[in-house]
Amino acid sequence: NAGVTQTPKFQVLKTGQSMTLQCAQDMNHEYMSWYRQDPGMGLRLIHYSVGAGITDQGEVPNGYNVSRSTTEDFPLRLLSAAPSQTSVYFCASRRQGGDTIYFGEGSWLTVV
Amino acid sequence: DAKTTQPTSMDCAEGRAANLPCNHSTISGNEYVYWYRQIHSQGPQYIIHGLKNNETNEMASLIITEDRKSSTLILPHATLRDTAVYYCIVRPITSGTYKYIFGTGTRLKVLA
Repeated sequence: NAGVTQTPKFQVLKTGQSMTLQCAQDMNHEYMSWYRQDPGMGLRLIHYSVGAGITDQGEVPNGYNVSRSTTEDFPLRLLSAAPSQTSVYFCASRRQGGDTIYFGEGSWLTVV
Repeated sequence: DAKTTQPTSMDCAEGRAANLPCNHSTISGNEYVYWYRQIHSQGPQYIIHGLKNNETNEMASLIITEDRKSSTLILPHATLRDTAVYYCIVRPITSGTYKYIFGTGTRLKVLA
């Protein structure tokens, strides 16, 4: 019973590099989202999707791109990494109209 | 969308009840109150939700005031494992495109 799976768990990037954080869920959930959490802070919504082919911006979308070509996958792309993007990233999913959000275990990203 | 206000931090003695307040004075009639918690470095976990009646499950109780402008999450017998950040969220009943905004939450420390 995998739930929401994020990869990689840890990553170090140099400033200016690009990378993709992967997120997959096996619960056939329509709604998926990405959050970032800086040390000692709450979660901030980056981007979200209500279904395949549909994405929208959250609170802090700048510097990130997303796409949703399938129900299962919702990758987050960092276009040109900056030290300000050093954070823990959480992917989440829920069923449309469902009560519970399911989170992945997080991806720790450091940009040097 | 209704905003929520929570204390930044609270302490509770092990074995005692932990009462975590949340103010949502601008809540509207079609909005639920949800509680999640995040244990250190993990993804947030659903606890409980309610509309206007008090709710109880195996994890906690949720008390919502009659005017629905505030609520209290009660952990009846707090243990050290309940040390976490607790988030109070308000979201519409019809949540198809709702962006879950987590805020900074209350950091609960359960003391031995």
